[in-house]
Amino acid sequence: GEDVEQSLFLSVREGDSSVINCTYTDSSSTYLYWYKQEPGAGLQLLTYIFSNMDMKQDQRLTVLLNKKDKHLSLRIADTQTGDSAIYFCAETDPGGYQKVTFGTGTKLQVIP
Amino acid sequence: DTGVSQNPRHKITKRGQNVTFRCDPISEHNRLYWYRQTLGQGPEFLTYFQNEAQLEKSRLLSDRFSAERPKGSFSTLEIQRTEQGDSAMYLCASSARDRANSPLHFGNGTRLTVT
Repeated sequence: GEDVEQSLFLSVREGDSSVINCTYTDSSSTYLYWYKQEPGAGLQLLTYIFSNMDMKQDQRLTVLLNKKDKHLSLRIADTQTGDSAIYFCAETDPGGYQKVTFGTGTKLQVIP
Repeated sequence: DTGVSQNPRHKITKRGQNVTFRCDPISEHNRLYWYRQTLGQGPEFLTYFQNEAQLEKSRLLSDRFSAERPKGSFSTLEIQRTEQGDSAMYLCASSARDRANSPLHFGNGTRLTVT
């Protein structure tokens, strides 16, 4: 079955880069996602990567995928206070319904 | 694109009462999902609809829970005889089946508190 793991907490200074890591177990996942959740809000899709890609860059966000190690990371360049939130890694269910399984989330705290 | 809409935003109810939540997906999306999120955890899958058909239900969905999507558009999630353990954020998401990659788009959720 699917299992997605993340570290619980990350603290960085404003202007530094943040790197949030995730490991997953289902090697047949087709897409891997990063979602952002601010307090009291739903989940905002930040970016995603297809499983045959190694890297994807989208403005300040860089996603790296190491399929051999089943490791996914999200790098946020020039981290701002508005980036403070919980970040969830998620993988798709290969069963075809695009159901996703989420990790427990990493709380990012940006210190001014 | 008005996004996924959920109502109500908050619901406080007494144990044993029934509650119903509504989700309006993005209009062209034919896939609809319900998730539940408790404090400090990631969302957990509850159930999935493709159009009006409920195609998958999690073991988390006890017989007190029922979800419908009668016309393949909006969906309702009902919890009967609520228990304190049902207190959580209930999230709805939608996606488009016919696109090669259609990620899930989430609403802002309904926060349920059972007293």
